Amino acid sequence: DTGVSQDPRHKITKRGQNVTFRCDPISEHNRLYWYRQTLGQGPEFLTYFQNEAQLEKSRLLSDRFSAERPKGSFSTLEIQRTEQGDSAMYLCASSPGRATYNEQFFGPGTRLTVL
Amino acid sequence: AQSVSQHNHHVILSEAASLELGCNYSYGGTVNLFWYVQYPGQHLQLLLKYFSGDPLVKGIKGFEAEFIKSKFSFNLRKPSVQWSDTAEYFCAVLLRGGGNKLTFGTGTQLKVEL
Repeated sequence: DTGVSQDPRHKITKRGQNVTFRCDPISEHNRLYWYRQTLGQGPEFLTYFQNEAQLEKSRLLSDRFSAERPKGSFSTLEIQRTEQGDSAMYLCASSPGRATYNEQFFGPGTRLTVL
Repeated sequence: AQSVSQHNHHVILSEAASLELGCNYSYGGTVNLFWYVQYPGQHLQLLLKYFSGDPLVKGIKGFEAEFIKSKFSFNLRKPSVQWSDTAEYFCAVLLRGGGNKLTFGTGTQLKVEL
């Protein structure tokens, strides 16, 4: 499968614990995005990378959230001191990055449940 | 604030009925427009997109959408739905020059009954 992959697919944690999610984009896609989706809502933008540079962050991304893409390939999203309000589906997407190709390809998501 | 509105949250149709899902956005600049679909148990997939040119765009599986700039709308249509079209449909907007983030509507859950 050459699509966007995410790991784990499901994560259950207790409030206050730290969690880390991984995203592997489509090969050679230099743009990578993180979104969060809660029940009954569409995905909401969190942050975006072009290669290893984090170019934009949403105000939704509090200081407990950090994302990295150290070598411009896979990315990690870490949430520290999780809260029940962090329960959501975390989606990763990638795109080729050429100006005329803004189509984003989505992964299956990581469903986080904070108890 | 910039936003995307999908007014139909749940739609139930019989097979062969025609479909139209509304999408309106509130951006003042040049936009790229998308419809994504999420079938049960699957991830978001692109249905169709509008970047420029002919405002009537055709996508996969017989879907089409029309961009009406004066109405800030990008409604999705299909002349005859099938049971397999049961899914959640999301309209999304990307504001050119406003970063690369997609802003999504809240989605429309479509159920097609046999």
